[in-house]
Amino acid sequence: LAKTTQPISMDSYEGQEVNITCSHNNIATNDYITWYQQFPSQGPRFIIQGYKTKVTNEVASLFIPADRKSSTLSLPRVSLSDTAVYYCLVGDKTTNNDMRFGAGTRLTVKP
Amino acid sequence: GAVVSQHPSWVICKSGTSVKIECRSLDFQATTMFWYRQFPKQSLMLMATSNEGSKATYEQGVEKDKFLINHASLTLSTLTVTSAHPEDSSFYICSARGDYSNQPQHFGDGTRLSIL
Repeated sequence: LAKTTQPISMDSYEGQEVNITCSHNNIATNDYITWYQQFPSQGPRFIIQGYKTKVTNEVASLFIPADRKSSTLSLPRVSLSDTAVYYCLVGDKTTNNDMRFGAGTRLTVKP
Repeated sequence: GAVVSQHPSWVICKSGTSVKIECRSLDFQATTMFWYRQFPKQSLMLMATSNEGSKATYEQGVEKDKFLINHASLTLSTLTVTSAHPEDSSFYICSARGDYSNQPQHFGDGTRLSIL
């Protein structure tokens, strides 16, 4: 089971790009990397998922180096509403080992 | 798409009461559903995994007789907290996932349970 390590907290300002890195040194061959965002008193919301290289959608990009031992969630031009906790999950759906959450990164966006 | 509805969103009840929480996948068939518990300022803790038509698999330390899980259909799972006590007060969150390869989990909005 791949364990993930993220910074506990990060601060940013409106309009800046924010990069949150997750370390997963013992990622397995069949593991995918998934990022979620959680606001207080709400369930996590899916942001992006990837296996290797780069994935981009309308809200974020996910960069995964060739060795896949880490990944970086990139949020372009953050706003105050991006203040939340961000979780990186790593695992293989077929074995159901991708649903255990680490501590997450608490991002605070300041005006 | 991929909407998960959780009900109720908030419940207060007396100690000793049993409380049922429903989790529904509204626009996809959820072959697997998960139940989590979250305390303030902490991460989500997986309680159990349920597959449609079979018994739930509970995480170590989670009392299966205390937290009854039923996943009778591909769109509905329920968590019943039996004989609830104040220490069971928490934020309970469900998630669901379909059968497509590496489809991510989609989460409900959680249930705030307060036991007096």
